[in-house]
Amino acid sequence: DIQMTQSPSILSATVGDRVTITCRASQDIGSWLAWYQQKPGKTPKLLIYDASNLEDGVPSRFSGGGSGTEFTLTITSLQPDDFAGYYCQQYNPNSLWTFGQGTKVEIK
Amino acid sequence: QVTLRESGPALVKPTQTLTLTCTISGFSVSTSGMCVSWVRQPPGKALEWLGRIEWDDDKFYSTSLKTRLTISKDASKNQVVLTMTNMDPADTATYYCARIPSEAYCLGGFDVWGQGTVVTVSS
Repeated sequence: DIQMTQSPSILSATVGDRVTITCRASQDIGSWLAWYQQKPGKTPKLLIYDASNLEDGVPSRFSGGGSGTEFTLTITSLQPDDFAGYYCQQYNPNSLWTFGQGTKVEIK
Repeated sequence: QVTLRESGPALVKPTQTLTLTCTISGFSVSTSGMCVSWVRQPPGKALEWLGRIEWDDDKFYSTSLKTRLTISKDASKNQVVLTMTNMDPADTATYYCARIPSEAYCLGGFDVWGQGTVVTVSS
């Protein structure tokens, strides 16, 4: 199975910061990658699909990049509502799917 | 409006079989391109993809759980059903069903999730 490794596991930041989360795949997955935000006690919310496409209604301060084995989720100018958990997920059509282990963005 | 709603027992005993139902509205499980997955999350831990069923009844399961999982669909009730055998306390988690838009033909993110159902495995 394809392993997805996120870094960092915990990211401490302040409002207004630019933050970047990295997700690495154990093999080439093209651009078949999604990013989700999850707040405590809530269901995950899709932010980005196909590595860089912003889901409808998601603020433009979120952006995704990368292809192959290395991907990033960037939040420009972190807002109070952005303190949450973030997960990457690969959906390579030729393999079973997997999530990363998650990144918690917390208040510094 | 597309909605998914999970239902099933909140408590199961070790070695028992868990059956969860995902009741869908807003699209048909028979629609070409339909793709529904099951995902779980143990308390305080990460999301784990369990498996998926596609419009043509193809099914795919997590390698670590494939011997215990069955996913099926009931077109007459517009439901997707997860069955997991030989439950263990380590299977205690919130279980979600989630869909990928039909037009993506299973190549996309999960844009709609159920609210999740908490399953505790304990004697």
